[in-house]
Amino acid sequence: GAGVSQTPSNKVTEKGKYVELRCDPISGHTALYWYRQSLGQGPEFLIYFQGTGAADDSGLPNDRFFAVRPEGSVSTLKIQRTERGDSAVYLCASSLTGTSTDTQYFGPGTRLTVL
Amino acid sequence: AQSVTQLGSHVSVSEGALVLLRCNYSSSVPPYLFWYVQYPNQGLQLLLKYTTGATLVKGINGFEAEFKKSETSFHLTKPSAHMSDAAEYFCAVSDEAARQLTFGSGTQLTVLP
Repeated sequence: GAGVSQTPSNKVTEKGKYVELRCDPISGHTALYWYRQSLGQGPEFLIYFQGTGAADDSGLPNDRFFAVRPEGSVSTLKIQRTERGDSAVYLCASSLTGTSTDTQYFGPGTRLTVL
Repeated sequence: AQSVTQLGSHVSVSEGALVLLRCNYSSSVPPYLFWYVQYPNQGLQLLLKYTTGATLVKGINGFEAEFKKSETSFHLTKPSAHMSDAAEYFCAVSDEAARQLTFGSGTQLTVLP
């Protein structure tokens, strides 16, 4: 079956612009996670959805970052007024039930470059 | 708060040699521990995980890891390295309250012919 997909695979934007990153989870997975991976680092948690609601958004760095999952499937991560420090690979993962022991399946990521 | 330390950002082994990638964690509650592998331009793939029960966990591609509570460690091993094992490996921790994963900074494994 299809895995987690993310679009676009690469996004180049200018400082101050708005960007949207999309994640399509595995069909039937109720939980969806966003992580950010900077060069040479491990992924860092941003936000976690259970169904349509954000169950934990404690990892969002500031109010320029926002994410939605309106129908409990596809999710969009939105970044306003982008800064050069936002450049990173943004990873999406999904899991079947969202329990702590459940395996998270990762997409290939979106590489965001802010010039 | 949880944290993960991976000793050695780069590890090189010869083909056929033992692979040992180190992971130590910090957690105030019983942890759940994971090892993921990342190949270039691919998503993270789960190698193995420890949740409860047997402390020696076997995963895919011949890898295994042992949870040692007294040492707060979860080191990853493979008896004989293969060229295809060259990749970046990440150790991660969660617990019953924290559904998200906390990752270490990763170890790049190089396999020499």
